[in-house]
Order: sequence, then structure tokens, then C-alpha cells
Amino acid sequence: SQTIHQWPATLVQPVGSPLSLECTVEGTSNPNLYWYRQAAGRGLQLLFYSVGIGQISSEVPQNLSASRPQDRQFILSSKKLLLSDSGFYLCAWSHAGGPYQPQHFGDGTRLSIL
Amino acid sequence: DAKTTQPNSMESNEEEPVHLPCNHSTISGTDYIHWYRQLPSQGPEYVIHGLTSNVNNRMASLAIAEDRKSSTLILHRATLRDAAVYYCIRWGGSQGNLIFGKGTKLSVKP
Repeated sequence: SQTIHQWPATLVQPVGSPLSLECTVEGTSNPNLYWYRQAAGRGLQLLFYSVGIGQISSEVPQNLSASRPQDRQFILSSKKLLLSDSGFYLCAWSHAGGPYQPQHFGDGTRLSIL
Repeated sequence: DAKTTQPNSMESNEEEPVHLPCNHSTISGTDYIHWYRQLPSQGPEYVIHGLTSNVNNRMASLAIAEDRKSSTLILHRATLRDAAVYYCIRWGGSQGNLIFGKGTKLSVKP
């Protein structure tokens, strides 16, 4: 069966510090991968998605970036965090194939910026 | 823009059926209807999806109107663990375009 791992579960960072959140998927090959953010009391916002190694699409302009160095590894980064980057970050995967493939989410990283 | 309309909140009693409505009057012919739910402090969980026909799985049933402008997620016997925010999402077109709205917060009373 497929599993998705995200870490860390919680993170407290000062403004201006760098960020690296990692997500890995096991039990499947060539998945579509996604990064979402959920601000407090709000819905999920898609940040990035990837259909293959090195292929990243950005949905929202921001000071965050994403990379996919391996087939089942997805990394969310920032060089300098802003206060507005606080939130609940979720990684998800789906089988390739369009709008009928469910997305499966990790447990998320709760990021607080001080 | 989620392009679906759901009630902000609903209440149910434990062990009773729950019908969660969703309006998607501008849905296109190629858009699927997906339902996810999110428990507090957890990532969303896939529940069910469909295109035109009603769908059943171990978690729930999805009833889709004949004109596809609305759908209803049916939990046959609500349990306390079903208390969550339920998202109705229409999804079609480009990859990754799964847009979550505010959803319906379901409370289940013992």
C-alpha cells in the first residue's frame, strides 16, 4: 500500500530564516505531487504541483519554491521566511491521470513564524 | 474560486444518516465531483468522487442530480469520528487544479 510522509510535524522559525519541508511517498511510482497551505480558519490553497522529476508548476506567486529531486520526493523551500508564511502545510500525492484520481494527503507541518 | 456552494455547518445525531448538500450549478461536462473531509489538525481525507452516476463505497454514498448541478454526500450512520469539515470540489481541466472552498463543518452529537 502507498504511504506519504511529511516532516517535521511542527516547526517554529524566526522571520528571515530559511525553510525546508520534505515529503516522500512510498509504494507507488511516478506520482503527481502537491504542496498546499492552509492558513488559520481558511481553506486549502494549492501552492505547487509536479507531474515528474524536475517538473514544477506554481499556482501562487510567493517567496516559496518547490523541487522534486527524486521521483517520490517533494521539497518545499524558502530562502527568507515572512510572517505571512505561517500556516499548515500539506503534501499530497495522486496517481497520474487527471481529474478522477483522488489525492492522498500527509499529516501536515504546522509552521509558526516568530 | 471553489465554484461550489455548501452550508457552513450542519449537525447530526450519532447513528443517524447525514445528507450533506453541495451546489455546483456551473459545472462543466468533464468536471468530476470529489468529496474530502478534514478532521482537526489533520490533512484532508478522500471520501468519494463521481461524474454522473451515483457512487457507493465503504465510507459514504454520493448522489448526483440528473442535471449535475448539485450533489449530496450521504453518511449512512454518523459516528462521532465523522465530525469533520466536508469539502465538495468540482475538478476538471488542468492537473493539480483541486480547489478547496470553506466546506461544511459537521458536528455529531452523541
